[in-house]
Amino acid sequence: GAVVSQHPSWVICKSGTSVKIECRSLDFQATTMFWYRQFPKQSLMLMATSNEGSKATYEQGVEKDKFLINHASLTLSTLTVTSAHPEDSSFYICSARDTRDRSLFTDTQYFGPGTRLTVL
Amino acid sequence: AQSVTQLGSHVSVSEGALVLLRCNYSSSVPPYLFWYVQYPNQGLQLLLKYTSAATLVKGINGFEAEFKKSETSFHLTKPSAHMSDAAEYFCAASSNDYKLSFGAGTTVTVRA
Repeated sequence: GAVVSQHPSWVICKSGTSVKIECRSLDFQATTMFWYRQFPKQSLMLMATSNEGSKATYEQGVEKDKFLINHASLTLSTLTVTSAHPEDSSFYICSARDTRDRSLFTDTQYFGPGTRLTVL
Repeated sequence: AQSVTQLGSHVSVSEGALVLLRCNYSSSVPPYLFWYVQYPNQGLQLLLKYTSAATLVKGINGFEAEFKKSETSFHLTKPSAHMSDAAEYFCAASSNDYKLSFGAGTTVTVRA
């Protein structure tokens, strides 16, 4: 298969604290992972592209010092929301690019189950 | 960047009826096109993907989509809806940089 996990699945934190979210590709290596943010009843908005061994590329309007991304290995990318505030509450979803030749879905992004962040 | 438009934020169908979800993209170069499904509080699951190999793309769970360059469309269909098809559906497009641009989504409800 092509399974992507996220941890934690949900987190509640106090305003001002930092929260780390992990994204793992369980059965394949992913040189590229992506982080998305989804507000209730809305679509996914790409936040950044995470490349293994190099700095992440952030989309316009996304604060890189606020959302720290580390892609330390071929199976793990982390998103740290620093000094979280209530407006950072959202559903964060990662995806990992699977470049293996898998006939029907060659070179495709697979998504994690998401992390629900609530900042009080 | 790609732009994706999904016509209709909500579609209601009877069980056993045809499901038709509309998606149009804006690009001078045909992009890669995708349909994903999202169940409540879950991530996205890939239904199918267009990569220019064939205009009619078959996916999982009985879904298929047809790429029409002249109409810049990639509509999703399923001949017979099942209760388990109730979910949010997203059309997405990407160019060679693999960044996905998503449509606003269409909520599908299935009536018994």
